[in-house]
Amino acid sequence: NAGVTQTPKFQVLKTGQSMTLQCAQDMNHEYMSWYRQDPGMGLRLIHYSVGAGITDQGEVPNGYNVSRSTTEDFPLRLLSAAPSQTSVYFCASSSHPAARSYEQYFGPGTRLTVT
Amino acid sequence: AQKVTQAQTEISVVEKEDVTLDCVYETRDTTYYLFWYKQPPSGELVFLIRRNSFDEQNEISGRYSWNFQKSTSSFNFTITASQVVDSAVYFCALSEAANAGKSTFGDGTTLTVKP
Repeated sequence: NAGVTQTPKFQVLKTGQSMTLQCAQDMNHEYMSWYRQDPGMGLRLIHYSVGAGITDQGEVPNGYNVSRSTTEDFPLRLLSAAPSQTSVYFCASSSHPAARSYEQYFGPGTRLTVT
Repeated sequence: AQKVTQAQTEISVVEKEDVTLDCVYETRDTTYYLFWYKQPPSGELVFLIRRNSFDEQNEISGRYSWNFQKSTSSFNFTITASQVVDSAVYFCALSEAANAGKSTFGDGTTLTVKP
């Protein structure tokens, strides 16, 4: 199992550019999420999905889009990058929190800088 | 609305000391899930534990133990006989059963264990 993979690991964008952060998991997990982590802060939820075709907004969704066409993939799109989106982005996957064998796995993160 | 408070921003201990990290949460849901995560200096996120709201039994895993008290809305984490490798940022998080994909994280506690 590769677990949760994220690409790229680092990215520099200019203001106004768009890009997609990729996230994939091979554990057949229903739940997938995108978080951002700013220096000295906890993780803030951007968007999440509870299954293929189902997505919803988290705490800080503005400026980001997601889709979940397959169980495995959950890409995050930045529509028009802004310096305020400079952050480290983590993708995570898990089973339902009530599952007996619940565990959550995170990708290694993408460090994004917007200039 | 759900909220997680980790009042201790930073804690510093000497190796072999016991240390407790506090977590206080707010939720209107009667069924919810609590989590702890570890983020070592290398930056990856590691899931440590999930606790269901209907299970107040404390849990021990090696040197780690967790104390869940519904009466005080707390889910505290104790490391016994701390080691330098325990140095990390520790996050507490909450999700409500009504919307289990939507997690809220505390701002984290930075634990430094000195040799």
